[in-house]
Amino acid sequence: EVQLVESGGGLVQPGGSLRLSCADSGLTFSSYWMSWVRQAPGKGLEWVANIKQDGSEKYYVDSLKGRFTISRDNAKNSLYLQMNSLRAEDTAVYFCARKDIYFDFWGQGTLVTVSS
Amino acid sequence: SYDLTQPLSVSVALGQTATVTCGGKNIGRKNVHWYQQKPGQAPVLVIYTDNNRPSGIPERFSGSNSGNTATLTISRAQAGDEADYYCHVWDSNTEVFGGGTKLTVL
Repeated sequence: EVQLVESGGGLVQPGGSLRLSCADSGLTFSSYWMSWVRQAPGKGLEWVANIKQDGSEKYYVDSLKGRFTISRDNAKNSLYLQMNSLRAEDTAVYFCARKDIYFDFWGQGTLVTVSS
Repeated sequence: SYDLTQPLSVSVALGQTATVTCGGKNIGRKNVHWYQQKPGQAPVLVIYTDNNRPSGIPERFSGSNSGNTATLTISRAQAGDEADYYCHVWDSNTEVFGGGTKLTVL
């Protein structure tokens, strides 16, 4: 069965960088689009980015373009999110999710806190 | 950008039927998916493509979608259904979530 486990969250200062990882223990990672979705404390879900099976297509929410980069390594069954120039408003739990036309499997999330 | 509108909160008496709406322009032309999220947990898909239930989701959960409104219906509401519910559509290479509805079971 698909099991997604995020890592890499933590406390970072404004302007800093962080790289999140998501490991998939299943056997079908390379067959699916993958996504990052975040949730600020006490707020709703916000889609961040999608990446195609082979990494050839990537899409981002407009507000994050240029600061965040999604990538994947199918040989390692892993998804990544490189986050640069972090701001206080990027504080959130970041979930990775497998995407069909819906998000059918989600990780438990990793908390990113941007604060001085 | 495409917007989805959900009520902030919905209350339902134990054993009764709850309806959670999701409004969007011509949403009836889109595939709508619904997620349940309990505090401190990841979202769980409860309805996909308007009215389909994933394996393991009770038949009490159903969905519909027409015109400018999609609806999640929870029949015979139980205490364990108390959660936040989010609708979701894909639009022009972006994923859009509704703001979420907190369901309270009284």
